[in-house]
Amino acid sequence: DAGVIQSPRHEVTEMGQEVTLRCKPISGHNSLFWYRQTMMRGLELLIYFNNNVPIDDSGMPEDRFSAKMPNASFSTLKIQPSEPRDSAVYFCASSLEAGGLETQYFGPGTRLLVL
Amino acid sequence: RKEVEQDPGPFNVPEGATVAFNCTYSNSASQSFFWYRQDCRKEPKLLMSVYSSGNEDGRFTAQLNRASQYISLLIRDSKLSDSATYLCVVGNSNSGYALNFGKGTSLLVTP
Repeated sequence: DAGVIQSPRHEVTEMGQEVTLRCKPISGHNSLFWYRQTMMRGLELLIYFNNNVPIDDSGMPEDRFSAKMPNASFSTLKIQPSEPRDSAVYFCASSLEAGGLETQYFGPGTRLLVL
Repeated sequence: RKEVEQDPGPFNVPEGATVAFNCTYSNSASQSFFWYRQDCRKEPKLLMSVYSSGNEDGRFTAQLNRASQYISLLIRDSKLSDSATYLCVVGNSNSGYALNFGKGTSLLVTP
């Protein structure tokens, strides 16, 4: 079975550019999570979807970040405009049950470098 | 104060050694507990869930102490392949749905 799929795996961009990260959760999973990981702050939850509906986006750093889930098999995280401090690894994860207390399966991540 | 705190390490141990990690959590209403493993430049993966009665999976033993609000992971007979970062993860329904991840403890097993 395919796991969580993320693209691109690596992204290098210049400050001010728009960045779009993509995620395909495991088929049949009801919950999807976007995380950001840095050495300084560890793994931080950005936003959580349940049945394609955003439940909590309190972890989204600021208005430059937005996320959508138009259907059960696809989600995007967009940064516009990007800044050097956005450089991090962005993970998408999915879980079978709603509630977020169940095991989460992570994608391979997107390594973002903003110059 | 972070919800989940871990000693970042690194823990450097020889092959065959026994090593233990602890993690503390701040929310007494926490209901679910996990250890995840993250290899260098890879995604976190579930190592094991942690149950109130404690549980064992091969060389790995996890314990939960609700009174003191800490979780432990014991690795016996360490292998080189155990070298990784171990993330303590805690969830509670008060936060609705979020799992809170510790920053991880780094383990290096040497020959």
